[in-house]
Amino acid sequence: QVQLQESGPGLVKPSGTLSLTCAVSGGSISSTNWWNWVRQPPGKGLEWIGEIYHSGSTNYNPSLKSRVTISVDKSKNHFSLKLASVTAADTAVYYCATPSHFCSGGNCYWYFDLWGRGTLVTVSS
Amino acid sequence: DIQMTQSPSSLSASVGDRVTITCRASQSISRHLNWYQQKPGKAPKVLIYAAASLQSGVPPRFSGSGSGTDFTLTISSLQPEDFATYYCQQSYNTPRTFGGGTKVEIK
Repeated sequence: QVQLQESGPGLVKPSGTLSLTCAVSGGSISSTNWWNWVRQPPGKGLEWIGEIYHSGSTNYNPSLKSRVTISVDKSKNHFSLKLASVTAADTAVYYCATPSHFCSGGNCYWYFDLWGRGTLVTVSS
Repeated sequence: DIQMTQSPSSLSASVGDRVTITCRASQSISRHLNWYQQKPGKAPKVLIYAAASLQSGVPPRFSGSGSGTDFTLTISSLQPEDFATYYCQQSYNTPRTFGGGTKVEIK
């Protein structure tokens, strides 16, 4: 079955750019699905960062939109996150995730049923 | 953005207790509401989707209800493995938003 695995530097300097990759195994990133990033500061709740479709269409959280870029590399079967101008507030576990959906009565309901294990990124000098 | 408000933020309960967690959306989201369980150091795991549908493999002691703005997650008989943090999440629109979480602790 499809699995997700995050990778990237665990330490980023303030004002630098956080860069992470999520490798998709057991399936194609070109399948009909959205590929997401979610983060969780230590001891805090979950925050949705954004998503990308395999075609390249994106949706971002407005709170991060000016600093976030999510991209997809079909040749490598992975998608990536870049977060610019980081501060200590960006220290978090970063998860990649992808949803399934359930359709009933003309409505489709999306839910995150596949997650990576998460990777801790610390912003510090 | 749709704000999701969970209550309580934490609770203490005993094995066998019935536990109820509520989630309120700042606007109507129909049934576009999911519940997740998260244990320390692990990724969230979906329990309930579309407000009331039980994810495959999740024990039937978990149930969800509600529509519009008010939702409930119920654990009918709390088991030792259920001590965790629970989050609601709306999938009505983007940005996807989560509730602040409810930590279920052992009494």
